[in-house]
Amino acid sequence: GAVVSQHPSWVICKSGTSVKIECRSLDFQATTMFWYRQFPKQSLMLMATSNEGSKATYEQGVEKDKFLINHASLTLSTLTVTSAHPEDSSFYICSAWDRGLWTGELFFGEGSRLTVL
Amino acid sequence: GQQVMQIPQYQHVQEGEDFTTYCNSSTTLSNIQWYKQRPGGHPVFLIQLVKSGEVKKQKRLTFQFGEAKKNSSLHITATQTTDVGTYFCAGPRWVNSGYALNFGKGTSLLVTP
Repeated sequence: GAVVSQHPSWVICKSGTSVKIECRSLDFQATTMFWYRQFPKQSLMLMATSNEGSKATYEQGVEKDKFLINHASLTLSTLTVTSAHPEDSSFYICSAWDRGLWTGELFFGEGSRLTVL
Repeated sequence: GQQVMQIPQYQHVQEGEDFTTYCNSSTTLSNIQWYKQRPGGHPVFLIQLVKSGEVKKQKRLTFQFGEAKKNSSLHITATQTTDVGTYFCAGPRWVNSGYALNFGKGTSLLVTP
């Protein structure tokens, strides 16, 4: 199956700093990637849809200036949490469809666990 | 908007007992998918159901899609400790560049030996 890689797996930062998370499709091209957020013992909530070469589409209630998304190539999307605060601590997961396979399966990265002190 | 609801939230069983999780959508779905997330891990695709009334089996796992395509269930026969994890159902939701998945809240399964 298709492989989505996410980096870093863990990150701890101080309040007020910015953190960048990378999501790569390793063996396929992804014109669209999805960023989800998951709080402990909760479901995956879609934050935004990342579109290669154009602006991301944010879900209602997600601050676009806080969560900057860049999808500069067909294999890389980045999520930058700007001026992070403790309430931003969460598990961030990216995902993508492999349209070449088109099995309907959504492939997930390993996730990035952010802790803001 | 579309809501995907799942029950129960938690289930604790003894190894060898059966387990079922139920999923209901507020709207008719073109398809429904099931994912498993192990503790500390990321969601992994289990199956996709497309047809009304469809039933699919994967070894001890049986998946059903309702006739109205608004509900689904996952049944595990004779659970094992390797079945531990959270099971999510998910329905497609249109976004401006295609469709994303709306996940239910998940059912966390704990299996004790």
